[in-house]
Amino acid sequence: ETGVTQSPTHLIKTRGQQVTLRCSSQSGHNTVSWYQQALGQGPQFIFQYYREEENGRGNFPPRFSGLQFPNYSSELNVNALELDDSALYLCASSLPLAGGGLYNEQFFGPGTRLTVL
Amino acid sequence: RKEVEQDPGPFNVPEGATVAFNCTYSNSASQSFFWYRQDCRKEPKLLMSVYSSGNEDGRFTAQLNRASQYISLLIRDSKLSDSATYLCVVKDSGTYKYIFGTGTRLKVLA
Repeated sequence: ETGVTQSPTHLIKTRGQQVTLRCSSQSGHNTVSWYQQALGQGPQFIFQYYREEENGRGNFPPRFSGLQFPNYSSELNVNALELDDSALYLCASSLPLAGGGLYNEQFFGPGTRLTVL
Repeated sequence: RKEVEQDPGPFNVPEGATVAFNCTYSNSASQSFFWYRQDCRKEPKLLMSVYSSGNEDGRFTAQLNRASQYISLLIRDSKLSDSATYLCVVKDSGTYKYIFGTGTRLKVLA
């Protein structure tokens, strides 16, 4: 067990709806990254939060947004859901990855499996 | 061209075999390299980091070739429990994101 928790574990939504996914980082980790993993693919980076600020973003539209709270937990919000948003959403926590933290390990949570109908 | 490319497999090998996976990356400025393991319907877990000098952890050996921009993973004496998807991961300098390959599926057969 990594100490990273995510909720809910499964979710079914319909097109056009909005969803909020939650992540609690491992104790002492102030950096949280979110990934989308479609079936048969590797995880794709959505964005990263460090000390409550967005610290980098992948190729995802603005309807994917997030928050990080003072306790370093995080939320991923997706608006106007599309069928292609069906995927496993992974949260990973770590110590900072910039500068001297090149090899700081990212610890993944078990993921939230989102199905959009 | 994909940023990180892997042969998706599957690689079906008998127990005890040696198997090697390769991964190529497109950005020569990439700084950090990793192999993650992902079991079916589970989260990825770090198998090993890959350092410039190469490194070994028991039956697993990782190599980095910066000139040719590829990373390799060698698994010796395969066990049934090695069956999983192996994800090659690259982190570029100056960015904060991990770039994952699509993964290579390994099945070790009894």
